[in-house]
Amino acid sequence: GAVVSQHPSWVICKSGTSVKIECRSLDFQATTMFWYRQFPKQSLMLMATSNEGSKATYEQGVEKDKFLINHASLTLSTLTVTSAHPEDSSFYICSAIGQLSNQPQHFGDGTRLSIL
Amino acid sequence: KQEVTQIPAALSVPEGENLVLNCSFTDSAIYNLQWFRQDPGKGLTSLLLIQSSQREQTSGRLNASLDKSSGRSTLYIAASQPGDSATYLCAVSTDSWGKLQFGAGTQVVVTP
Repeated sequence: GAVVSQHPSWVICKSGTSVKIECRSLDFQATTMFWYRQFPKQSLMLMATSNEGSKATYEQGVEKDKFLINHASLTLSTLTVTSAHPEDSSFYICSAIGQLSNQPQHFGDGTRLSIL
Repeated sequence: KQEVTQIPAALSVPEGENLVLNCSFTDSAIYNLQWFRQDPGKGLTSLLLIQSSQREQTSGRLNASLDKSSGRSTLYIAASQPGDSATYLCAVSTDSWGKLQFGAGTQVVVTP
């Protein structure tokens, strides 16, 4: 089945550091990728929608300059948390979908980000 | 604005019992509905996807129904096993790009 790889799985870093998270579709071309944030014992909140070759569309309340998204190819999207602070600590998950939006989304295993 | 609600928030059953998980949504204009499983600290695994024109989908011990007019979906898991212990999330697709709106999930524990 379709596989989405997310890297790294766990990051601990100091406040003020920028952190990059990669999301790759391994065996299909991901026309669209989504980035979610999940707080403990809560559901997933969509942060942004990323389409290959175009600017990401951010959800209301998500800072574009804080969470930089790049979707440079049909198999790779990156989320960079710039100048991270403790309140950015969370579980970040990406998902990818092929050309047909009525197909299941395939999720990465998530990245746990801890800012000290 | 679409809102997705899952009841109950948590459920504990002995092994062998059937599981019934409920999902409701406020706006019936959906493209599809998906059920996912999430293990602690992990991403999501897609279980079933029901298109808006369908009434149900089945995969092994799992069966999901969709009543779009009443804004409800139910996930049935037959003959539960300890390995079924996880959080189950339902999500509705709200646009043609595949954007998903998630419920808060039902945490399931199946005791041996």
